[in-house]
Amino acid sequence: NAGVTQTPKFQVLKTGQSMTLQCAQDMNHEYMSWYRQDPGMGLRLIHYSVGAGITDQGEVPNGYNVSRSTTEDFPLRLLSAAPSQTSVYFCASSFLTGSNSEAFFGQGTRLTVV
Amino acid sequence: QQQVKQSPQSLIVQKGGISIINCAYENTAFDYFPWYQQFPGKGPALLIAIRPDVSEKKEGRFTISFNKSAKQFSLHIMDSQPGDSATYFCAATFSGSARQLTFGSGTQLTVLP
Repeated sequence: NAGVTQTPKFQVLKTGQSMTLQCAQDMNHEYMSWYRQDPGMGLRLIHYSVGAGITDQGEVPNGYNVSRSTTEDFPLRLLSAAPSQTSVYFCASSFLTGSNSEAFFGQGTRLTVV
Repeated sequence: QQQVKQSPQSLIVQKGGISIINCAYENTAFDYFPWYQQFPGKGPALLIAIRPDVSEKKEGRFTISFNKSAKQFSLHIMDSQPGDSATYFCAATFSGSARQLTFGSGTQLTVLP
């Protein structure tokens, strides 16, 4: 019962470096999303996808890129890391329809940009 | 633009006491209001949720109270236990689904033994 798996758990980047945060789910969920969690600000939506080949921007998309080539995977790319992107990143998935659907979250990736 | 405002930021309660966390929202189109619980080093997990057609929902020691006219909802934890110590987030979304959740800022609850 893997659920939502995120890798890596921790990462330190230098300013200007790029990297990809991986997210995979095995629940056949159509909807996947990325959030960042910062102290005192809750979780803010970065990007989301309603199915393979379909992505859209959330509240804070600048500096991030996503793609969805399969139902299972939804990677998040940092194009040129900045200190402002230091945060904890969570991937979540859920069914697209159905009332009161539950979002399942991964365990997070703690990213530090120096 | 913070569409869901949550208070207090932190809360300390004695074992057996009642913990109360409040949230207020602005967008009247929201129609699904879940609460998530997060333990250190873990991702948030759904605790309990409510739709605006009911004023209260109870699951065990956890109760959501909902006031549609005031655009407010709250989480009550009865008989609080040290194991309830966690960060709690209220959230809101549309279409009764878990898509595009808008989260409050979180409340760090500490229950003293």
